[in-house]
Amino acid sequence: NAGVTQTPKFQVLKTGQSMTLQCAQDMNHNSMYWYRQDPGMGLRLIYYSASEGTTDKGEVPNGYNVSRLNKREFSLRLESAAPSQTSVYFCASSELKGTREKLFFGSGTQLSVL
Amino acid sequence: AQKITQTQPGMFVQEKEAVTLDCTYDTSDPSYGLFWYKQPSSGEMIFLIYQGSYDQQNATEGRYSLNFQKARKSANLVISASQLGDSAMYFCAMSLTGGFKTIFGAGTRLFVKA
Repeated sequence: NAGVTQTPKFQVLKTGQSMTLQCAQDMNHNSMYWYRQDPGMGLRLIYYSASEGTTDKGEVPNGYNVSRLNKREFSLRLESAAPSQTSVYFCASSELKGTREKLFFGSGTQLSVL
Repeated sequence: AQKITQTQPGMFVQEKEAVTLDCTYDTSDPSYGLFWYKQPSSGEMIFLIYQGSYDQQNATEGRYSLNFQKARKSANLVISASQLGDSAMYFCAMSLTGGFKTIFGAGTRLFVKA
């Protein structure tokens, strides 16, 4: 019962460093997402992938890139980390059925950029 | 533009009492879905309940019910018989037809007192 697995759970970076957050799901979902969670702002969509081979920008894409490696995996890359990217990052997947887009989330990555 | 508003940053409730968490939404799309997610202190996001805009009856899932008032554009979560384990952050969310861009409110932190 793995569901959505994301790594790492914690990461500290220095300004300008790069890193990739990994995400994999085993529910055969077509759609995958990256959100960031900041206090008082809820979750905001960074990028999403509606299906294998496609990616699209969400609400806050600047400073990030994504790769949908295959149906299972969707990674998020920070090329040059900035303190404003300090946040908790969640990967999610879903199988859209009309408006019932129930999201299944990973356990989150707490990222600090110093 | 679509928007979710949760006006209660924090709420207190006595154990075994009922509590209502407020959520209002804004969309011009006639077809949408409303969700509530729970985030305990451990950080994971847990799906609680879903209401479709065309559903005639309010959704219920165990001790959770969604008080859907379409004309007022509100989707309040009611938790009956609160338990200590209900202490968590609660997020209201909305998805639209076509999906892929679920938006979240800022969240309400619920504290259940023994």
